[in-house]
Amino acid sequence: NAGVTQTPKFQVLKTGQSMTLQCAQDMNHNSMYWYRQDPGMGLRLIYYSASEGTTDKGEVPNGYNVSRLNKREFSLRLESAAPSQTSVYFCASSEGQGGLFFGSGTQLSVL
Amino acid sequence: QKEVEQNSGPLSVPEGAIASLNCTYSDRGSQSFFWYRQYSGKSPELIMSIYSNGDKEDGRFTAQLNKASQYVSLLIRDSQPSDSATYLCAVNPDGTASKLTFGTGTRLQVML
Repeated sequence: NAGVTQTPKFQVLKTGQSMTLQCAQDMNHNSMYWYRQDPGMGLRLIYYSASEGTTDKGEVPNGYNVSRLNKREFSLRLESAAPSQTSVYFCASSEGQGGLFFGSGTQLSVL
Repeated sequence: QKEVEQNSGPLSVPEGAIASLNCTYSDRGSQSFFWYRQYSGKSPELIMSIYSNGDKEDGRFTAQLNKASQYVSLLIRDSQPSDSATYLCAVNPDGTASKLTFGTGTRLQVML
């Protein structure tokens, strides 16, 4: 049972490049999330999907887009990467108001 | 004012002692509360959830909630070096997981 799987684990981009972070969960959860974690800022919600077919903005959505491909998969896209998007990105899933289950994270550097 | 406040630490305790981690929150109507453990370079891992006033015990961990004082704590009994990590408090104001707000975490060091 893999839980929440994220790829890639590490990525270095140049300013203006684009990329997609992939996330898949095998726990049959309805809700999925993308967070970023920065030193001193804690975890901040970028986008979430309460159920298949829906997506909503979180606290820090600017510069990002998401796609809920099916119940299992939720991807995060950076269309034109900026240095301010250097961060650690976590995908997570949940059911009901229960706690979140996180993927292993993606460390992204934008030069 | 941050919505969820934690002392950043580090909190240092000797092996075998009780570690007490504290968290305060600003939204009086908050409904559910969570503690996550995050080892350096790893993802957060859910270790405790609590929804009503009082204590909830799970092995060496006890979560305590006092809604009147807007305070939630995590006690770790018989602390082990493997407990050394950052502990994140998370508060859900309305029962919707998308509204979960995280504190910045308390770093715990358990000394041999």
